[in-house]
Amino acid sequence: GAVVSQHPSRVICKSGTSVKIECRSLDFQATTMFWYRQFPKQSLMLMATSNEGSKATYEQGVEKDKFLINHASLTLSTLTVTSAHPEDSSFYICSALDRSPYNEQFFGPGTRLTVL
Amino acid sequence: AQKVTQAQTEISVVEKEDVTLDCVYETRDTTYYLFWYKQPPSGELVFLIRRNSFDEQNEISGRYSWNFQKSTSSFNFTITASQVVDSAVYFCALSEKRANAGKSTFGDGTTLTVKP
Repeated sequence: GAVVSQHPSRVICKSGTSVKIECRSLDFQATTMFWYRQFPKQSLMLMATSNEGSKATYEQGVEKDKFLINHASLTLSTLTVTSAHPEDSSFYICSALDRSPYNEQFFGPGTRLTVL
Repeated sequence: AQKVTQAQTEISVVEKEDVTLDCVYETRDTTYYLFWYKQPPSGELVFLIRRNSFDEQNEISGRYSWNFQKSTSSFNFTITASQVVDSAVYFCALSEKRANAGKSTFGDGTTLTVKP
């Protein structure tokens, strides 16, 4: 099956710094990628839909200035957590939608962010 | 609006027991996809199955089987002869099928513990 990678897999940063997480579709082009957030022992919550070449669409309650999304190419979307605070500590998972008729969604392995 | 309900928060069984994880969904779409994912402690989502709304045929894959009942909006997952390695959080998810859609709504997950 298709592969989606995320980098880094884990990151620890100090409060106030910005962190960039990359999501790459390795063997297919993805015009649409999604970013999810998962708090400990909770479900995945969709944060935003990232469309190549256009602005991301954010879900209600997600601060777009806090979570900057850039989908600059058909294989790469980035999520930047700006001025991170401890409450931003979470597991961030991206997924990429293939262009087949099934619109299959392939998930990345996730990035665990810890803000001290 | 879509909704996925996994009523069982935690289930604990002894190895070799059969266990069924329940999933009930709500959607106004006539075309949709249902998924089950396994999330081991490492955090990476492991895809188990996808079923589209037009295919009500039950499926068996080794010790895993799925029962899709459109009439009751349920998509239950059974593990036969459970093993310790089956211990994980299992998520049921629903994905709408429209152009450039595919974003998923996840249930809250069921934590399965299989004891030796």
